[in-house]
Amino acid sequence: EAGVVQSPRYKIIEKKQPVAFWCNPISGHNTLYWYLQNLGQGPELLIRYENEEAVDDSQLPKDRFSAERLKGVDSTLKIQPAELGDSAVYLCASSLFLAGPNEQFFGPGTRLTVL
Amino acid sequence: AQKITQTQPGMFVQEKEAVTLDCTYDTSDQSYGLFWYKQPSSGEMIFLIYQGSYDEQNATEGRYSLNFQKARKSANLVISASQLGDSAMYFCAMRETLPLQGAQKLVFGQGTRLTINP
Repeated sequence: EAGVVQSPRYKIIEKKQPVAFWCNPISGHNTLYWYLQNLGQGPELLIRYENEEAVDDSQLPKDRFSAERLKGVDSTLKIQPAELGDSAVYLCASSLFLAGPNEQFFGPGTRLTVL
Repeated sequence: AQKITQTQPGMFVQEKEAVTLDCTYDTSDQSYGLFWYKQPSSGEMIFLIYQGSYDEQNATEGRYSLNFQKARKSANLVISASQLGDSAMYFCAMRETLPLQGAQKLVFGQGTRLTINP
């Protein structure tokens, strides 16, 4: 079974440019998460989707960040315009709500460098 | 608010030795879950082990075990017989458990970098 797929793996852009990240979760997983991981820190949730509905976006900086999951499957996270402080790893995760651990499965992340 | 604290920025251990990675948490919730994830240099977060707040026995998964002390609010990860491939960042995380509201976010600690020496 394929894991969570993210692309691109690396992205280098200049500040004020737009950038987009794509995530395809594990097949059948209804919950999708975008996390931000700064260097030397643990991941922090940006947004969580239940199917196509964003149910927790309280940590998403809405002035420059946007996300969508139109058909409840893959998702795109966009930054426009990017700032120097946005340099980080953007992780996507998915899960299927079941009793028990309900662990989240993570993709390899997209490492963004803003120059 | 939930909080996870990992006080060991780095740990160095000889191969084949056991190692304990510390994790303390703070929550006012009665129902919650505790996780440990491994993040190698490739960047992917790998799920290792889970402990539910109502589980009476400590969780074990192969060489991994979780030393859960609820009264002390600690959930330390124990890796037995360490291997070179265990070198990675390790994150402790907590999730509030609301079974009628679906999946919830994870709150992560800052991580511990484990280095296994040959």
